[in-house]
Amino acid sequence: GQQVMQIPQYQHVQEGEDFTTYCNSSTTLSNIQWYKQRPGGHPVFLIQLVKSGEVKKQKRLTFQFGEAKKNSSLHITATQTTDVGTYFCAGPTGSGNTGKLIFGQGTTLQVKP
Amino acid sequence: DTAVSQTPKYLVTQMGNDKSIKCEQNLGHDTMYWYKQDSKKFLKIMFSYNNKELIINETVPNRFSPKSPDKAHLNLHINSLELGDSAVYFCASSRGQSYGYTFGSGTRLTVV
Repeated sequence: GQQVMQIPQYQHVQEGEDFTTYCNSSTTLSNIQWYKQRPGGHPVFLIQLVKSGEVKKQKRLTFQFGEAKKNSSLHITATQTTDVGTYFCAGPTGSGNTGKLIFGQGTTLQVKP
Repeated sequence: DTAVSQTPKYLVTQMGNDKSIKCEQNLGHDTMYWYKQDSKKFLKIMFSYNNKELIINETVPNRFSPKSPDKAHLNLHINSLELGDSAVYFCASSRGQSYGYTFGSGTRLTVV
């Protein structure tokens, strides 16, 4: 079946360093979504990318969708302690309202102040 | 106003018991989901309902039975709880799987 893989599983950085997590799907995706889950919290939707090669920015966060629509990345510039959490990518299977989101395993980011 | 609310937030129970988790959304979304998050944070879909109809039923033991009385509610009943059922269960809603999901705050189930 369809798989969504994320690397790395964990990343420890010093505050101010950059961070990147990578997401790869075994199949072409119609869109890719990114979520953030703070420790003890629930996943929160960050963004959706739809077009091949699309790049979107949210302040220090840059999201990219690959040309083949099978991979994506999230880059955080100059990390802050508020960036701590687990970042998940997710891709849909099926179509319309009959499909489901398949989540990657997540990348847990720790930021040392 | 809480968009997707789940109760209870914590549930500690003994093996063999039956328990229910309730979920309600006030976003007007047509589709609701149950996801299970294990200790390694892996999120796995269990069920999906669209307008009260069961759409997705993953390979979940039949001890788990979802019920959707209307499109704003999706409850999860679990019979004969086992140790391996311990996890965080998230309810979510969306306009469809091509749209962002809104998750509830989760129910941490501990079976002892």
